[in-house]
Amino acid sequence: GQNIDQPTEMTATEGAIVQINCTYQTSGFNGLFWYQQHAGEAPTFLSYNVLDGLEEKGRFSSFLSRSKGYSYLLLKELQMKDSASYLCAVSLGGGSQGNLIFGKGTKLSVKP
Amino acid sequence: DTEVTQTPKHLVMGMTNKKSLKCEQHMGHRAMYWYKQKAKKPPELMFVYSYEKLSINESVPSRFSPECPNSSLLNLHLHALQPEDSALYLCASSQGFGGPNYGYTFGSGTRLTVV
Repeated sequence: GQNIDQPTEMTATEGAIVQINCTYQTSGFNGLFWYQQHAGEAPTFLSYNVLDGLEEKGRFSSFLSRSKGYSYLLLKELQMKDSASYLCAVSLGGGSQGNLIFGKGTKLSVKP
Repeated sequence: DTEVTQTPKHLVMGMTNKKSLKCEQHMGHRAMYWYKQKAKKPPELMFVYSYEKLSINESVPSRFSPECPNSSLLNLHLHALQPEDSALYLCASSQGFGGPNYGYTFGSGTRLTVV
């Protein structure tokens, strides 16, 4: 089966840095996505990693280690609007092309 | 146009009703998807269309019937649903499969309530 683990909830302070971890064990791997989802809204794309290393995009960075089955999303200079759920998702590729498996999501609460 | 448009945004239907959810994109994406998301749960894949052909059906009950009339449109026909089918139904599209340019673009979803 497919398994993607993330912490259920995290709390951080406005202006701080927070790291959301994701570990995965999947039958295939064709890249890892991070999505942000505000309550009642659709997920929006944040980042994509397929090779090991760090991808930086403004206040958001994402890291991948394929050998460890591990990724993290780093959010800097937190703002109140960053309060949302963050979904880690693995693209299986191969015969399951198009099948994006989501983790349960990490609900981040940013406090003043 | 960089959006996926879903209609309606909200739908309340009885268990004997027939209704349809609609999804539209004009980004030239070749793959389109239906996901179901229950409260506080991750999205779960239902169907994948690739080049207008159904390529993945994740063992979805027959009361859900997808249709892809053309490369820009995706429908989900609903019939004889159960209250437990109440959820947020998300449509998504991607240019293809895999790679950073193939990230999914999600629609805003249809909030379905079955009474």
